[in-house]
Amino acid sequence: NAGVTQTPKFQVLKTGQSMTLQCAQDMNHEYMSWYRQDPGMGLRLIHYSVGAGITDQGEVPNGYNVSRSTTEDFPLRLLSAAPSQTSVYFCASSPPRGTGELFFGEGSRLTVL
Amino acid sequence: EDQVTQSPEALRLQEGESSSLNCSYTVSGLRGLFWYRQDPGKGPEFLFTLYSAGEEKEKERLKATLTKKESFLHITAPKPEDSATYLCAVRDYKLSFGAGTTVTVRA
Repeated sequence: NAGVTQTPKFQVLKTGQSMTLQCAQDMNHEYMSWYRQDPGMGLRLIHYSVGAGITDQGEVPNGYNVSRSTTEDFPLRLLSAAPSQTSVYFCASSPPRGTGELFFGEGSRLTVL
Repeated sequence: EDQVTQSPEALRLQEGESSSLNCSYTVSGLRGLFWYRQDPGKGPEFLFTLYSAGEEKEKERLKATLTKKESFLHITAPKPEDSATYLCAVRDYKLSFGAGTTVTVRA
């Protein structure tokens, strides 16, 4: 039982490049979400999904896209990377939507030059 | 407007020196307060959920308490392995995280 798996762990991009951060969970959780963590700030919600085929915007969605074609996978796409998107990204899941008891992945550290 | 404020930002303790971390919140309809532990280079790990004022939860050397305006995480006789960043989150209609308190315990 791997829990929440994120790839890659580290990535360096140039401004304007696009990429996808992968997230997979094997706990059959309905709810999945993406957060970014920046120094001195709390985790901020980017996008979330309450089930396959359903996604919605969080607090800071601009510049990011998501899709949820299966229960297991929830990729985060950066359309045209900007230096402001330099951050650590965490994927999290939980069984029912609306609880605060989240299971987090180990994070993906992204640097945009 | 910050909904969740954690203090202090950093805390350095000697092994065995008990202390408390504070999480104050301004949400009106609290539907849960959550504590997480985060080790360097790792994702947060869930510790406790508190729902109502007066509630307490314990796990090893950690005890979380809740009032109507704040929560405390008490660390009793800490060990070096308790060194981590402790995050607080509150839920009303959304889940909001504080910036965390980084605890360093020296042997």
